[in-house]
Amino acid sequence: KAGVTQTPRYLIKTRGQQVTLSCSPISGHRSVSWYQQTPGQGLQFLFEYFSETQRNKGNFPGRFSGRQFSNSRSEMNVSTLELGDSALYLCASSFGVTYFQETQYFGPGTRLLVL
Amino acid sequence: KNEVEQSPQNLTAQEGEFITINCSYSVGISALHWLQQHPGGGIVSLFMLSSGKKKHGRLIATINIQEKHSSLHITASHPRDSAVYICAVRWGVVETSGSRLTFGEGTQLTVNP
Repeated sequence: KAGVTQTPRYLIKTRGQQVTLSCSPISGHRSVSWYQQTPGQGLQFLFEYFSETQRNKGNFPGRFSGRQFSNSRSEMNVSTLELGDSALYLCASSFGVTYFQETQYFGPGTRLLVL
Repeated sequence: KNEVEQSPQNLTAQEGEFITINCSYSVGISALHWLQQHPGGGIVSLFMLSSGKKKHGRLIATINIQEKHSSLHITASHPRDSAVYICAVRWGVVETSGSRLTFGEGTQLTVNP
């Protein structure tokens, strides 16, 4: 089975632009979670989607948004980029909703640099 | 105050040594995860625990729910174990909404040959 894939792997943007990142979960997985990792804050939860519905959202401003499609693929969007948005963005998939204590499988991440 | 505290932050060991990484948390949780992150960023989920102890190869994870503490042990450590080990706790049990993971800051482990 193919693992979780994320595109693009690397991205350079300038302040004020917007960016869309994509995540394809493992086949059959219906839950996708997104995380941000920075040197200063470490790993932080962004949001979780299950069956096209956002199930939970972390403490991030409204500039961060996401969605999930009927095939479970997910996208996250960051509008009006700030320098502090430079980070590794990770997505993880699981079969069911994570409060059922499903193991999550992580993708390789998208490394975003905002100049 | 971080809800998840890991210790030590950095750990250097010689090949073959027994290694322990600790994780303490302050919230009631439904599960605790141990993750491994190699240079380059890829994360692998090692264990998911809600009670007791789990073992996989040379790795052992334990959790004490009453004391809100978990440990990750590596027996007969090897240079390929060099990575960042991250503890994460899952909390939030509302059936109509999701739960979330809160992460520790990670422990950088270096195993020298």
